[in-house]
Amino acid sequence: AIQMTQFPSSLSASVGDRVTITCRASQGIRNDLGWYQHKPGKAPKLLIYAASSLQSGVPSRFSGSGSGTDFTLTISSLQAEDSATYYCLQDYNYPRTFGQGTRVETK
Amino acid sequence: EVQLVESGGGLVQPGGSLRLSCAAPGFTFSSYWMIWVRQAPGKGLEWVANIKEDGSEKYYVDSVKGRFTISRDNAKNSLYLQMNSLRAEDTAVYYCARDRNYFASDTYYDVFDIWGQGTIVTVSS
Repeated sequence: AIQMTQFPSSLSASVGDRVTITCRASQGIRNDLGWYQHKPGKAPKLLIYAASSLQSGVPSRFSGSGSGTDFTLTISSLQAEDSATYYCLQDYNYPRTFGQGTRVETK
Repeated sequence: EVQLVESGGGLVQPGGSLRLSCAAPGFTFSSYWMIWVRQAPGKGLEWVANIKEDGSEKYYVDSVKGRFTISRDNAKNSLYLQMNSLRAEDTAVYYCARDRNYFASDTYYDVFDIWGQGTIVTVSS
């Protein structure tokens, strides 16, 4: 199975800060990657698919980039409501695999 | 409103069985791949299984192969997960989700755009 490694595992930033989360695949996965936001007690929410396509209704402060093995999720100006855990997910082959998650806290 | 509603979770002893259901009113259920994802206590998300629109293709994570079976009834707009030989490590919140399956540049991309709120499965004696 493809291993997805995310870093950092957690971060704390101030409202308005630019935040970057990285996801690295154990082998090349083209751009077959999505990003999900998950808050406790809630359903996960799709943010980005195909590495850089913004899901409808998601604020434009979220963006994704990358191809091959290295990917990033960027929040251009962190808001209080962005406190959550973020996961990358490869859909290049089976079984699909998530990264271990990055917990984002707002100071 | 497009939504998914899981049910069937509960407390079960190790070695026991449980069947989860996911009701999918509000959209053309038979036109979408569907998936199950779980989150064990204190852990991250784990993709469990998916099933094609007509049920002809199914894929599983290795840890549940031979024990779990994903299925669907398009006439009832429902997705299922039959879980047998349950283990303590299967304890988790189980989510169902819709895969919009975006096609571009000769590639299909998973797009899990609609999720349920989850149902809790606890495997314990």
